[in-house]
Amino acid sequence: GAGVSQSPSNKVTEKGKDVELRCDPISGHTALYWYRQSLGQGLEFLIYFQGNSAPDKSGLPSDRFSAERTGGSVSTLTIQRTQQEDSAVYLCASSSPRDRNEQYFGPGTRLTVT
Amino acid sequence: LAKTTQPISMDSYEGQEVNITCSHNNIATNDYITWYQQFPSQGPRFIIQGYKTKVKNEVASLFIPADRKSSTLSLPRVSLSDTAVYYCLVALFGGYQKVTFGTGTKLQVIP
Repeated sequence: GAGVSQSPSNKVTEKGKDVELRCDPISGHTALYWYRQSLGQGLEFLIYFQGNSAPDKSGLPSDRFSAERTGGSVSTLTIQRTQQEDSAVYLCASSSPRDRNEQYFGPGTRLTVT
Repeated sequence: LAKTTQPISMDSYEGQEVNITCSHNNIATNDYITWYQQFPSQGPRFIIQGYKTKVKNEVASLFIPADRKSSTLSLPRVSLSDTAVYYCLVALFGGYQKVTFGTGTKLQVIP
């Protein structure tokens, strides 16, 4: 079956521009997670959704970051006024109600801010 | 959230068994232990999870002592394709929540 998909796969943007990153979770997966991974680093938790609500937004680095999820499916991570330190791979994962402990990851979006 | 500590890197020759140990001294009663594998330019992939004693699947074994303050991922007869970063996570069993990945252990398999 189809896995988690993310778009775009690569994004190059100028400093100060806004970007939107999209995640399509596996159908039927109610939980959705966003992470950030800088070059050679571990994964940094950003936010997770249970259905359309986000119980924990504590990982968002600043108020320039926001995320939403509609219809319990697609999620969008928006970064406003991008900075060079935002350059990283942004990973999305989802998990099913039956096995919440196992997250399925997408291929990620590589964001480069110039 | 329970903090985990793993070796930063390990080297192993092909065909050997590799054991990666993770420390999680403040693990809570309802926490479970999960291991993920990440290849370059890919998202992490679930390997195995457990609560206590021993768990085994077709890929790996997970050993958890009675005090649960550590766990050991065992990879039998590694091959070059097992070269990856391995992450140990501790999180509440069955819950949707913030999950913290540490820096992981970079395993390099040598021919």
